[in-house]
Amino acid sequence: DTEVTQTPKHLVMGMTNKKSLKCEQHMGHRAMYWYKQKAKKPPELMFVYSYEKLSINESVPSRFSPECPNSSLLNLHLHALQPEDSALYLCASSQGTSGYEQYFGPGTRLTVT
Amino acid sequence: AQSVTQLDSQVPVFEEAPVELRCNYSSSVSVYLFWYVQYPNQGLQLLLKYLSGSTLVESINGFEAEFNKSQTSFHLRKPSVHISDTAEYFCAVSDPPYGGATNKLIFGTGTLLAVQP
Repeated sequence: DTEVTQTPKHLVMGMTNKKSLKCEQHMGHRAMYWYKQKAKKPPELMFVYSYEKLSINESVPSRFSPECPNSSLLNLHLHALQPEDSALYLCASSQGTSGYEQYFGPGTRLTVT
Repeated sequence: AQSVTQLDSQVPVFEEAPVELRCNYSSSVSVYLFWYVQYPNQGLQLLLKYLSGSTLVESINGFEAEFNKSQTSFHLRKPSVHISDTAEYFCAVSDPPYGGATNKLIFGTGTLLAVQP
């Protein structure tokens, strides 16, 4: 099974709201990722977790806060977002952080109003 | 740092015709190469990968790609496309593992394959 699941599929939130995106994988992968994808663009890396520890933060604004409660789960907490943060947020996982293919979830379509 | 170039932003092709989507990467001692496909309103799916071994890699749905080290290319080909192949295709490169470092997946800008009846 090479499935990564993400919830919710769609999310509309105001600029003062707090919400969370969730990601789950049961492949025993030890690396998990958050990407942001704007329309007609490639995914942009936001965060990398390796063995449940944050290993890369691509200078993402603090209104995005990742969390890795255990090896199977990855959350992205959202607070005080801006309209330009509207995008498709993709979660991915891989066996390790180097030289392994990444498996992507279906994404959460986020709209900030 | 690695970089990937997909020169064609869009490739229109008629159904049952052959297609080639081009991908070039910046030179390196060794690289890992991937093709991902993204159907409308979906996430990315791994299409095929080159890590080592045979330079010609194949996917289960008829696509193939050839690693050419001298030309630093990893072009994707299919001899006969279907309407259902219409999607965005991303080429990506990663450095092999060295010393436990976290190596990022570097994506090209993508190529929209538009298959017409």
